Amino acid sequence: QVQLQESGPGLVKPSQTLSLTCTVSGGSISSGSYYWSWIRQPAGKGLEWIGRIYTSGSTNSNPSLKSRVTISVDTSKNQFSLRLNSVTAADTAVYYCARVVVAATWFDPWGQGTLVTVSS
Amino acid sequence: ERVMTQSPATLSVSPGERATLSCRASQSVSNNLAWYQQKPGQAPRLLIYGASTRATGIPARFSGSGSGTEFTLTISSLQSEDFAVYYCQQYNNWPPYSFGQGTKLEIK
Repeated sequence: QVQLQESGPGLVKPSQTLSLTCTVSGGSISSGSYYWSWIRQPAGKGLEWIGRIYTSGSTNSNPSLKSRVTISVDTSKNQFSLRLNSVTAADTAVYYCARVVVAATWFDPWGQGTLVTVSS
Repeated sequence: ERVMTQSPATLSVSPGERATLSCRASQSVSNNLAWYQQKPGQAPRLLIYGASTRATGIPARFSGSGSGTEFTLTISSLQSEDFAVYYCQQYNNWPPYSFGQGTKLEIK
């Protein structure tokens, strides 16, 4: 059973870069059957898709964030990562990683989420 | 971008009763719609995909219907563990994949 776990700093200063890693266990991130995605949720609000990466390194991002988002994959560590630069308080949220079946594109399963607060 | 609108924002229902949640797309998403359940402090859990197919392990009291722009999630007989926030998500047109704003299902 595949499990995902987010990790990274819980506090980031404004204008700096948010960096998170998602570690996949119970399955290979190199499987050609899946995309690997990031989603976030500000406190008390809804869900926003950030972007996704395929095992080849091909990525797609939400146009609203595209210029600030970098998603990468490290198949040797079975991990994928998110970098979001020039953060502001509006980027404060719980960040989730999730698996997406290729040609299906619903999210299952999800990691437990990690809270990132942007504050000086 | 497809805008997903859920109604109502909050639904109060008694245990054992039926709950009906709605999700509307700003343009057709065919049947490319999923539903998720989120409990406080937890990640969302996939309930339904393809508008009407239950995910693995999801009880039969959860059912989805609809296509095009109008979708419904029905919970036939509410159990205590069903009180949560429910989100719909379209995956017909991207980027971005878009979610509804959620319906909070609370105990009446």
